[in-house]
Amino acid sequence: NAGVTQTPKFRVLKTGQSMTLLCAQDMNHEYMYWYRQDPGMGLRLIHYSVGEGTTAKGEVPDGYNVSRLKKQNFLLGLESAAPSQTSVYFCASNRQGIDTEAFFGQGTRLTVV
Amino acid sequence: DAKTTQPPSMDCAEGRAANLPCNHSTISGNEYVYWYRQIHSQGPQYIIHGLKNNETNEMASLIITEDRKSSTLILPHATLRDTAVYYCIVRVALYNTDKLIFGTGTRLQVFP
Repeated sequence: NAGVTQTPKFRVLKTGQSMTLLCAQDMNHEYMYWYRQDPGMGLRLIHYSVGEGTTAKGEVPDGYNVSRLKKQNFLLGLESAAPSQTSVYFCASNRQGIDTEAFFGQGTRLTVV
Repeated sequence: DAKTTQPPSMDCAEGRAANLPCNHSTISGNEYVYWYRQIHSQGPQYIIHGLKNNETNEMASLIITEDRKSSTLILPHATLRDTAVYYCIVRVALYNTDKLIFGTGTRLQVFP
C-alpha cells in the first residue's frame, strides 16, 4: 500500500501564480487534513474533510481552498500565491472515529518568490 | 479544544529511558491523548494514544495521571534514531469535527 501520497514534492511559484496540491490515500479513510509547517514551528491545520463532498476550515484557512470530490483525494488550492505561503505542506488521513491513528504524507515543500 | 504544554527540548543518553511530559489540565472526559513524532522534516509518525488507562505498544508507553491533567510518554531504551520532535495532542471527535491540533512539541536529542 502506498498510504498517503502527496504531489508534487517540491514547487517554486512566483507571487500571484496559482497551483493545486494533490493528496491521495488508498486506505479508504473518511477523514483527510491539510497542514502547513513553517520553519521551527509545529503543524497548523488549514482545512479538513470528514467525508466526500464535505470540507471545513481549520486554524489558518485564509488564502487556501480545498475540494474533496472523491473519497481518496483531497486537493489544496492556492489561487494567488504569496511569499507568506512559503512552507512545507502535509496531508493526513484517518478512519472515522476518535480511537484511530492518522497517517501523514511526506510533505510538499513550496517556495513562493 | 484542550491545549497542551510541553517542554521545548530534552536530552537523553542512548540506552536510557526518555520520559517526555505533557500537561493538559483542561482536558475533557471525551478527549484522548495522542503522541506523534516528527523526524527531521518527514511527515509526523503516530506513536501511541490513550483515554485514561496506561497504554503500551512496541514503540512506547503512555502514562496518564488519574485526574487526566497530565501524561508522560516513555521510550524505554532510547536510540539515536529516536531523536525527533515529539508532539502531545489532545483530540476530541465530535460529529463531523474530528481534527488533530498540534502544539510546538518537545525536541528530544538522544546522545551517544
